[in-house]
Amino acid sequence: EDQVTQSPEALRLQEGESSSLNCSYTVSGLRGLFWYRQDPGKGPEFLFTLYSAGEEKEKERLKATLTKKESFLHITAPKPEDSATYLCAVLKGSQGNLIFGKGTKLSVKP
Amino acid sequence: KAGVTQTPRYLIKTRGQQVTLSCSPISGHRSVSWYQQTPGQGLQFLFEYFSETQRNKGNFPGRFSGRQFSNSRSEMNVSTLELGDSALYLCASSPTGQGAFEAFFGQGTRLTVV
Repeated sequence: EDQVTQSPEALRLQEGESSSLNCSYTVSGLRGLFWYRQDPGKGPEFLFTLYSAGEEKEKERLKATLTKKESFLHITAPKPEDSATYLCAVLKGSQGNLIFGKGTKLSVKP
Repeated sequence: KAGVTQTPRYLIKTRGQQVTLSCSPISGHRSVSWYQQTPGQGLQFLFEYFSETQRNKGNFPGRFSGRQFSNSRSEMNVSTLELGDSALYLCASSPTGQGAFEAFFGQGTRLTVV
């Protein structure tokens, strides 16, 4: 069965304290892995797409990496405005839909 | 460039009623997907439309249906509402739905069934 598992479920950091979020997946025929940020009451905001193992992408304080079994979202020197739920999703095979993990709720305290 | 627009933003309906939600994709995007988001299940795929045809469907009962118009705008309908249908319904659009797949989401419609 296709599965996307994110850990931890919740993460509390102090401002400036770097950390990583994990997304592990068991999906056959992976076509892409996606990271989204979601603020309360809003729709997910697209962050990154990764297509193959070894690929890395960066945006401001965020860096996403991909291996054959998992992806990491590294957050360097986070700020309170980085507080949000971070969602990981995969696109498989010939399907056009994303399979989402349950998300990691990140809180950054000043 | 305008983003994905969903209307209405909030709805309160009574059990047994039906509801129609609307989604206007980003201009030029031909694929529209719908997702249900609940605290317990997270984001779950409902269906995807491309060029007015349903191309993929998730594991939801037949009470959930949708359609896409020639201008790519999409609607989803839920008949005989149940309390468990209370959720945030999200629409996402992408240029083609295949290949380089980057889905952009709207703000969602918060449906409450009482």
